Amino acid sequence: NAGVTQTPKFQVLKTGQSMTLQCAQDMNHEYMSWYRQDPGMGLRLIHYSVGAGITDQGEVPNGYNVSRSTTEDFPLRLLSAAPSQTSVYFCASSKTGTEFDEQYFGPGTRLTVT
Amino acid sequence: AQSVTQPDIHITVSEGASLELRCNYSYGATPYLFWYVQSPGQGLQLLLKYFSGDTLVQGIKGFEAEFKRSQSSFNLRKPSVHWSDAAEYFCAVGRGFQKLVFGTGTRLLVSP
Repeated sequence: NAGVTQTPKFQVLKTGQSMTLQCAQDMNHEYMSWYRQDPGMGLRLIHYSVGAGITDQGEVPNGYNVSRSTTEDFPLRLLSAAPSQTSVYFCASSKTGTEFDEQYFGPGTRLTVT
Repeated sequence: AQSVTQPDIHITVSEGASLELRCNYSYGATPYLFWYVQSPGQGLQLLLKYFSGDTLVQGIKGFEAEFKRSQSSFNLRKPSVHWSDAAEYFCAVGRGFQKLVFGTGTRLLVSP
């Protein structure tokens, strides 16, 4: 089991560019989510998905799009990158999404927008 | 609104000494509480969680945490710290269907 994988590990974008952060899990988990981690602010939920074809917004969704066409993959798209989106992005998954399930986190993608 | 406070940004502990990391939460109902650890360059790993029952919970790597409702606290403890425990520690409260609210983290440094 690879667990939760994320690519790329590092990325530098110019303001206005778009890109997709990839996330995949091989544990057959229904629930997947994206967080961003900023200094002094902990992790904040961007979007989440409770299964293929179902997504919903988290705490800080603006500027990001997601889709879930398969159980395994949950890509995060930045439509027009802004310096405020400079952050470390974590993808996580859990079996059912309830509070009782452990969330498994990927290693993160460090994004810099200039 | 739900919130989590970790008042210590950095803590330095000597190897072999005991450790306590503080966490206070604000939550209207019975909280689901978690401690995660993040090693440098890695994702978060669950150390332990509290849902109900015994207020002292045991986790992995020799960590434990105690839930004190009267103090709205969920402090993490370890009796003897190892150099490999140097990492960032996050307290979190669950507010329904995996919508975790995280604290800002405490960075643990271990001195020889």
